[in-house]
This record gives sequence, C-alpha cells and structure tokens, in this order.
Amino acid sequence: SQELEQSPQSLIVQEGKNLTINCTSSKTLYGLYWYKQKYGEGLIFLMMLQKGGEEKSHEKITAKLDEKKQQSSLHITASQPSHAGIYLCGADETGFQKLVFGTGTRLLVSP
Amino acid sequence: DGGITQSPKYLFRKEGQNVTLSCEQNLNHDAMYWYRQDPGQGLRLIYYSQIVNDFQKGDIAEGYSVSREKKESFPLTVTSAQKNPTAFYLCASRDTFYNEQFFGPGTRLTVL
Repeated sequence: SQELEQSPQSLIVQEGKNLTINCTSSKTLYGLYWYKQKYGEGLIFLMMLQKGGEEKSHEKITAKLDEKKQQSSLHITASQPSHAGIYLCGADETGFQKLVFGTGTRLLVSP
Repeated sequence: DGGITQSPKYLFRKEGQNVTLSCEQNLNHDAMYWYRQDPGQGLRLIYYSQIVNDFQKGDIAEGYSVSREKKESFPLTVTSAQKNPTAFYLCASRDTFYNEQFFGPGTRLTVL
C-alpha cells in the first residue's frame, strides 16, 4: 500500500504568522484529503483535491495538489489559536476511497 | 441535524471479551468505513462497505468483524482474537457524488 509522508511532524507558530504543511506520496493519487483533528475527537473534513494542479481555499486555509498528483500542501494564512490541532492528509489509492493516512502534523499557535 | 454518531465515546472491556462499537449515519451515504488510530500513527482501515449487505476487509481486518444490514448502520465488533484492541476507533461515511468522506466523533476503547 502507498505511504504518505507529512512534514513537519510538529509546528509552533506565532499568532498571525503563515505556515505550510506538506504531504508527499510515492504514487499518483486518485484524491487527496485534508482533515483537522482535535485530540481525542473525530476528523473534521477540510478539503479534497482530485485534479493535478488543483487549488482550493476555505477561509484562511488553502490546499494545493501538484501536477503529478503526488504532493499536496496546506497553507494557513495569518494563523489563529483556533487553527491549532492535528492536520492529517489522506490519499485515495484505489478510487474506492480506502484512504491511507499520513501520521499527522501537530500545530500549536502561540499568542 | 445530519451526521455520523458513534457510541459510546469511551468503552472499557476486560481482556478476552468481545465488544461492539456502534456507528450510525443519517446522511443517506452508501459507503461506510471503520478506521483505527493509534498514538503517533495515522489512521488504518479495518473494514469498509460500499453498499448494504456487502463489506470488504481493509488493511488490518484480523480480529474484527462487521455487518451492514441497514444503510444507516455499520457496527464493528472487536473480538478476543484482536491482539492489541486498545485504540481510538473512527467511523466514516462517503458522499458518492462529491467523493467527500466524513468522520464520526470516535470511540476510545480500552481493554484492561
């Protein structure tokens, strides 16, 4: 099965700063999903990307999928304490949405 | 409100006992999934079901069983054959039109 690498594993940023989280696959992806998780809670769906070069934004969060569909980035602009949590990328390797997940990026936003 | 519910939120069981985790959705989604999350690891797929009365093994199905008798429900049984059952279990369902997969709040199972 395919592996997803997320970087960095953890990140501390000052409130108001921008940040980027990366997710890299060894294979071409059918779809790439970004989720946010608070400790001990379920995953909150952020965005899904399917087409090479696709970019989506929601509020201050922007996700991109590269042309080869093997790498995605999640960018947060002007971070806020509410952005703190664990960000997980998941990849659809078969088209049936049997998602394979990265190990997550833990984000802390300091005041 | 539409969504996915999992119950209970916390579950404690003695070693050797079977336990069933509930997952219900009222989103009218055909596909449902069970994942397991361990500390420091990503989610791993246990079982999935694309349609009622059909389900398939995921990457770590050993020691688990499921049923899909109703569209709304996809219960997961953790059997005594599962060697390390203590984990956080997450259920998900998929919107087949938009291909978006949504998750429930999770059940934390602790085997004593």
